[in-house]
Amino acid sequence: KNEVEQSPQNLTAQEGEFITINCSYSVGISALHWLQQHPGGGIVSLFMLSSGKKKHGRLIATINIQEKHSSLHITASHPRDSAVYICAVDSSNYQLIWGAGTKLIIKP
Amino acid sequence: NAGVTQTPKFQVLKTGQSMTLQCAQDMNHNSMYWYRQDPGMGLRLIYYSASEGTTDKGEVPNGYNVSRLNKREFSLRLESAAPSQTSVYFCASSWDSNQPQHFGDGTRLSIL
Repeated sequence: KNEVEQSPQNLTAQEGEFITINCSYSVGISALHWLQQHPGGGIVSLFMLSSGKKKHGRLIATINIQEKHSSLHITASHPRDSAVYICAVDSSNYQLIWGAGTKLIIKP
Repeated sequence: NAGVTQTPKFQVLKTGQSMTLQCAQDMNHNSMYWYRQDPGMGLRLIYYSASEGTTDKGEVPNGYNVSRLNKREFSLRLESAAPSQTSVYFCASSWDSNQPQHFGDGTRLSIL
C-alpha cells in the first residue's frame, strides 16, 4: 500500500464546478504539500500546510492531522485549472513522499 | 526571474553512453534535489544536497552520481546509461528542508 494515496486518479468536470481532490497518508508528517504540474510539465508549489486551512485565490487546502487526510478544493473551476495536482508529505528531512497525482480536466 | 534552470531540455542517448544533467538556481537556496518522474508514478528522489558540500542518496540512486559544485549548481551524472533510465528528470531547490520546493522545467531523457 502506498504511503500517500490520492483520489480520484482522474477527474473531468465542467467549467464553473466546485472541485475536490483528496489525499490520504499513513505516516506521521510535519507538513503536507500540494503542487500543480502544468500540461507542459512545469511543477509549481501551491500550498504547504501542517494544520487547518489555507486559501489562495480560488484554491483552498485543508488538512486533518488526526484523520491523516487533506483536501484541495477549486472554486469556480476554469479550463486553465486543467493540470495534474500532486500531494506530497514531509515525514523526514529532505525526503518527501509523493502521491501519484490527480489529473484534472475542466471542459469549457 | 530565472529560478531553477535545467539543461538540456531534451536528450537522446544510446545505451552505455554517459552524460551530465545541469541544474542551477539563483534564489540562494541551501537545499537542492534531483527527481525522476515516470508515467503513472509519483516523483522519486534520486539524490539531494542539504547544503553546499553535502550530498545524500534518495530513494533511487543506483546508476547516478551527483556533484554540488557550489551553492548554485547541482549536477546529475549518468555514467553508463541504461534504457531503464528513460524518464523525465526534475531538479528542485528550497531554502531549507521544510520549505516549499521550486522546480526546473525538466529534462526529457530517452535511452535507446
